[in-house]
Amino acid sequence: EVQLEESGGGLAQIGGSLRLSCLVSGITFDDYAMHWVRQAPGKGLEWVSTINWNSVDIDYADSVRGRFTISRDNAKNSLYLQMNSLRAEDTALYYCVKDSRPYLFYMDVWGKGTTVTVSS
Amino acid sequence: QSVLTQPPSVSAAPGQKVTISCSGNSSNVGNAFVSWYQQFPGTAPKLLMYENNKRPSGIPDRFSGSKSGTSASLDITGLQTGDEADYYCGAWDSRLSANWVFGGGTKLTVL
Repeated sequence: EVQLEESGGGLAQIGGSLRLSCLVSGITFDDYAMHWVRQAPGKGLEWVSTINWNSVDIDYADSVRGRFTISRDNAKNSLYLQMNSLRAEDTALYYCVKDSRPYLFYMDVWGKGTTVTVSS
Repeated sequence: QSVLTQPPSVSAAPGQKVTISCSGNSSNVGNAFVSWYQQFPGTAPKLLMYENNKRPSGIPDRFSGSKSGTSASLDITGLQTGDEADYYCGAWDSRLSANWVFGGGTKLTVL
């Protein structure tokens, strides 16, 4: 069974940093692209970032480009999201999501999420 | 405002059929597969439909998907109270920076 377990969320100050992690089990991790998707309280889903299987193809939503960095360590079956220059509008539940293929195709398995709260 | 447009809410009685629409443009729905996700309150989204009309294992055939041009639809027949959830469509977007876009979500109420 595929499992995605996020960690690293918490309370951060405006302008501060957080690093999210996602430990993946039950699959051959480097066979799949991975994503981060967030959901602000009471709001819909927002795609944040995608990384393909070998970290060559990376992309970000305009709202986080230049502030967030996605990375992965295939040896550790782990996905990361370094979040810098945090803003109040980054407050959300952040989901680690597996793709169905090595490159962006569609998201098929979601973690339970980790909560990020940005406040002054 | 979401790139893909969904109705904020739909409702129908148990046993009835409901259709949730998802409208995009030629850079997303018109030239990409659409997937659908179901989210119950307080839980993570779950894949409901992929490649426009394919159901993952375990999804009942009461759920069906279709796409025509720049619009996609999710049909749910034989509605059950347990179908009450938020539904999101999503698709790859081939704009200058390729990325993924979601609809704003549709809350299904089974009356």
